[in-house]
This record gives sequence, C-alpha cells and structure tokens, in this order.
Amino acid sequence: KAGVTQTPRYLIKTRGQQVTLSCSPISGHRSVSWYQQTPGQGLQFLFEYFSETQRNKGNFPGRFSGRQFSNSRSEMNVSTLELGDSALYLCASSLVRDGGNTEAFFGQGTRLTVV
Amino acid sequence: GQNIDQPTEMTATEGAIVQINCTYQTSGFNGLFWYQQHAGEAPTFLSYNVLDGLEEKGRFSSFLSRSKGYSYLLLKELQMKDSASYLCAVILRNSGNTPLVFGKGTRLSVIA
Repeated sequence: KAGVTQTPRYLIKTRGQQVTLSCSPISGHRSVSWYQQTPGQGLQFLFEYFSETQRNKGNFPGRFSGRQFSNSRSEMNVSTLELGDSALYLCASSLVRDGGNTEAFFGQGTRLTVV
Repeated sequence: GQNIDQPTEMTATEGAIVQINCTYQTSGFNGLFWYQQHAGEAPTFLSYNVLDGLEEKGRFSSFLSRSKGYSYLLLKELQMKDSASYLCAVILRNSGNTPLVFGKGTRLSVIA
C-alpha cells in the first residue's frame, strides 16, 4: 500500500511569507503528527491530529498551525516565516488501537528553505 | 523538561557488534521507539519497548530499563548499509503511542 506522501518535497520562501505543507497518511491511519528536523535540534514534535482534532501540541509559537480533514489528510501552516524556520518538516501517520497508536510511519518530508 | 541523550557519533567495523545507548529524563513514560534514518530519507521504525528487557528482531535488538531511564540498540553483524542515524524516541504518558520526544540521533559510520 502507498506510504505517507508529503508535498511539496522542496520549497524556498522569503522571510515574512507564509507556507502550507500537505501530508496524506497511509490509508486507514487516522493519526497524523508533524515534526521539525534541524541539524542542531534534531526531531522536534509540532502537533498531532486525530479525527480532525488537535490531540497533542509541542512547544512551538502560534505561527505554526495545522488542521486535519475528514479524509485524514493534514496540512500545516507557518505564517510570517523566519530564517530559523528553515528545516525538514516530517509528517508521520499511525493507526489508533485500543492501547494507543501503533508505530509512526514517516513521509519523505518537505525541505523548507527561508531566505 | 524532557531530555533524551544519545552519543552524537559512533564508528564501527563491518561484521562487528555496536551498542547505541539512550538515556532519558521525561515527565512521563509510555514506551520507547528506535528509528533508523539514512541521509536524505525518512526515519524508519526499528523497535518498540514498553516493558523492561530485551526485544530481538533479526540483527537488531533493543533493551529497556525503566527504573534507570536507559535503553540501548544493539546491531550485530554490521553491514555497510547500516551506516545511518539512529533515533531514540520516548512516548510520554497521555499521548497515545505517538513519539513525542526524540533524541538528536546517533550517526553511525560502518567502515570496512
């Protein structure tokens, strides 16, 4: 079956602009999480969506937001871009079972460069 | 706060065994994942420990001690393709099983 699909793969934006990234989870996976990966900080959790609701949130400013649609596809938005937002943004999807989520499957990521 | 520590880099020889350690101090604990990430690629799942002890899966094994806040990933019969970053991630309580806190990763280089 198809894996997690993220679009676009690469993006270059100017400071002050906004950007929207898209993630299509594995079919049947209703939990979608977003992470920011940078060389200095590693993988940092942004937020998790389940059934169109934000279930968990990391420690990022309000410029970072997201949403999930009824088909489980998710988008994340970053407004008023800063140079420090340059990073690889990873989306992960997982199944939700009685005991919690299964392991997360990651997409290839969107490489965002802010100039 | 949440803190996960792993060595930054390790080097090992093809055919050898390497152990990558991970220590964590978090405000809750509901399990620990290990992921492998090759340069320019997505992280891929290796193992999951929720109870103390050793989980073995082929050439890869992972160990957990909850009382010590400690885990390790053991790679046997190293191959060149094992050169990658290895990420330790802790699942916090009340967060389902979604990994929420990642270590910065250990870059493993396998040499001939």
